[in-house]
Amino acid sequence: NAGVMQNPRHLVRRRGQEARLRCSPMKGHSHVYWYRQLPEEGLKFMVYLQKENIIDESGMPKERFSAEFPKEGPSILRIQQVVRGDSAAYFCASSPPRPRAGSTLNTEAFFGQGTRLTVV
Amino acid sequence: KNQVEQSPQSLIILEGKNCTLQCNYTVSPFSNLRWYKQDTGRGPVSLTIMTFSENTKSNGRYTATLDADTKQSSLHITASQLSDSASYICVVRGGGGSNYKLTFGKGTLLTVNP
Repeated sequence: NAGVMQNPRHLVRRRGQEARLRCSPMKGHSHVYWYRQLPEEGLKFMVYLQKENIIDESGMPKERFSAEFPKEGPSILRIQQVVRGDSAAYFCASSPPRPRAGSTLNTEAFFGQGTRLTVV
Repeated sequence: KNQVEQSPQSLIILEGKNCTLQCNYTVSPFSNLRWYKQDTGRGPVSLTIMTFSENTKSNGRYTATLDADTKQSSLHITASQLSDSASYICVVRGGGGSNYKLTFGKGTLLTVNP
């Protein structure tokens, strides 16, 4: 059972270009979370998705950023017209479906190795 | 505001010594607390998870404690090894009426020297 797979591991873009970051969750996981980690900072929540649905995008900038998790294929975090301030490590995590109320199932999130975006 | 504060920011110890990392949180309502280890350039890896009713939990040389009343947790590492050099991140699940959001501390950077 492969872990959470993110690609590319490193991505260099010039200012104004588009960046597409991919995340394939663990088998059986239908929940995906995207986090951003700036240098010397902690991880910051961006967006939470289930298959074909965005559940919470409160941590994602309103402009230039979008995320999707289609029925088939990986989750995509898309950054349009990148700026230098977008340079960061972007981590994806996945977790199994949330248990019903009262269940003691562990809903631990597993992280990918991240994509390091550098905007030059 | 849901926050997780960790101390110290960084710590240097000699191989074989013990150390304790601290985590204070204000996340409410509280679901659980995790300690993650993040090696440089890699994604976080879970060390231990603690729920409201658990006071202490061990995973090898790592022992985590939780005081839900004071909203404090600690991670104790015994007999440190060079491979323990990493960032240790305290993560709390909960807050805002949901139980899926994870709030991350900024981490403690631990360096173990020979």
